[in-house]
Amino acid sequence: GAVVSQHPSWVICKSGTSVKIECRSLDFQATTMFWYRQFPKQSLMLMATSNEGSKATYEQGVEKDKFLINHASLTLSTLTVTSAHPEDSSFYICSASKSWTGGRNEQFFGPGTRLTVL
Amino acid sequence: GESVGLHLPTLSVQEGDNSIINCAYSNSASDYFIWYKQESGKGPQFIIDIRSNMDKRQGQRVTVLLNKTVKHLSLQIAATQPGDSAVYFCAENRGNFNKFYFGSGTKLNVKP
Repeated sequence: GAVVSQHPSWVICKSGTSVKIECRSLDFQATTMFWYRQFPKQSLMLMATSNEGSKATYEQGVEKDKFLINHASLTLSTLTVTSAHPEDSSFYICSASKSWTGGRNEQFFGPGTRLTVL
Repeated sequence: GESVGLHLPTLSVQEGDNSIINCAYSNSASDYFIWYKQESGKGPQFIIDIRSNMDKRQGQRVTVLLNKTVKHLSLQIAATQPGDSAVYFCAENRGNFNKFYFGSGTKLNVKP
């Protein structure tokens, strides 16, 4: 299988604090992980591409100093929402890319993390 | 920027009927597409994919059709079941090997 987990599954924090979300590939190594944000009744918006051992690549309009990404190992990427504000409240989803020999990499999604900023 | 106040279009079908969910994509350079199913409070789940050198691909109870001329994808679900109720997204790969951009989504409501 190819299982991706996220921790925590939900978090409530006060405005101005920072929150770290973990994304782990449990049974495979992922050189690339992706972070998405999803507001209620909207689609997933790609925020950034996280590559193991190098700096993340952010999509246009996503503040890299606001959303810190660290991909320290082949099975773990973290997203830290710094100085969170109520408008950062959202569903954050990660995905991990698994390489298949001779084929296109397949992407597996985590279950998401619900962030609520008070 | 983010769009505020959007509501997903909803498709309501009777159990046992066939469902057709449509998606328009924007980038003519996109060469690989995936349909995902997302249940409430969960991450997306892969349903079926198609490459741009194909115009049709079939899976178990699902068929994806691709019309590159008008940049349109459709997902057909045969004999729709209550368990198919979810939000469905198409996602396009715009040439970068692994980056996918999601369409706006359609909520499928299956009535028993």
